[in-house]
Amino acid sequence: KQEVTQIPAALSVPEGENLVLNCSFTDSAIYNLQWFRQDPGKGLTSLLLIQSSQREQTSGRLNASLDKSSGRSTLYIAASQPGDSATYLCAVSFTGTYKYIFGTGTRLKVLA
Amino acid sequence: GAVVSQHPSRVICKSGTSVKIECRSLDFQATTMFWYRQFPKKSLMLMATSNEGSKATYEQGVEKDKFLINHASLTLSTLTVTSAHPEDSSFYICSARDEAGLNTQYFGPGTRLTVL
Repeated sequence: KQEVTQIPAALSVPEGENLVLNCSFTDSAIYNLQWFRQDPGKGLTSLLLIQSSQREQTSGRLNASLDKSSGRSTLYIAASQPGDSATYLCAVSFTGTYKYIFGTGTRLKVLA
Repeated sequence: GAVVSQHPSRVICKSGTSVKIECRSLDFQATTMFWYRQFPKKSLMLMATSNEGSKATYEQGVEKDKFLINHASLTLSTLTVTSAHPEDSSFYICSARDEAGLNTQYFGPGTRLTVL
């Protein structure tokens, strides 16, 4: 069974800290992996999309890496800000079906 | 970037009624769309794959007679929650696959269903 898990489930950090969110998946035959942000009561905001042939993607203070062989992806957030507070979801699209399997999410709170 | 819309964004209905949710790809054609459900404080769970011109493929445990999916055109898929009950209250999100654009999937803004 294809599964995606995220750790930690929740994280609270002071403003300015660099932090890492982790995502792991059980099947290495992936098409791509995407990181999303979700604010309470809202939809999904796509942050970074990594194709299976790529090892990392960067956007501003965000950097996502992908290691298919170990079934892991990390989202690095530099110099965190209170506005970064949200739930971060990792979603993996597996080869052949294109459907996304979502991780369990990490609830981030950045304290001012 | 590509846009996917959902309508309505929010709906409140009485128990026993049916509710239809629309998912549209606004600037690309999508032969495949996906429907997800999200319970409060939980992650998204895939319900079904909607295929244009053919029957939807449902995930294990999802009642196909309860959640009717119709994908009648290359830009529209609908999800109908039949005889809705309070336990069907949830956040429903669709996505559409852009085959012409590296198979990138774009997600709609979601529909919040509350069944009284």
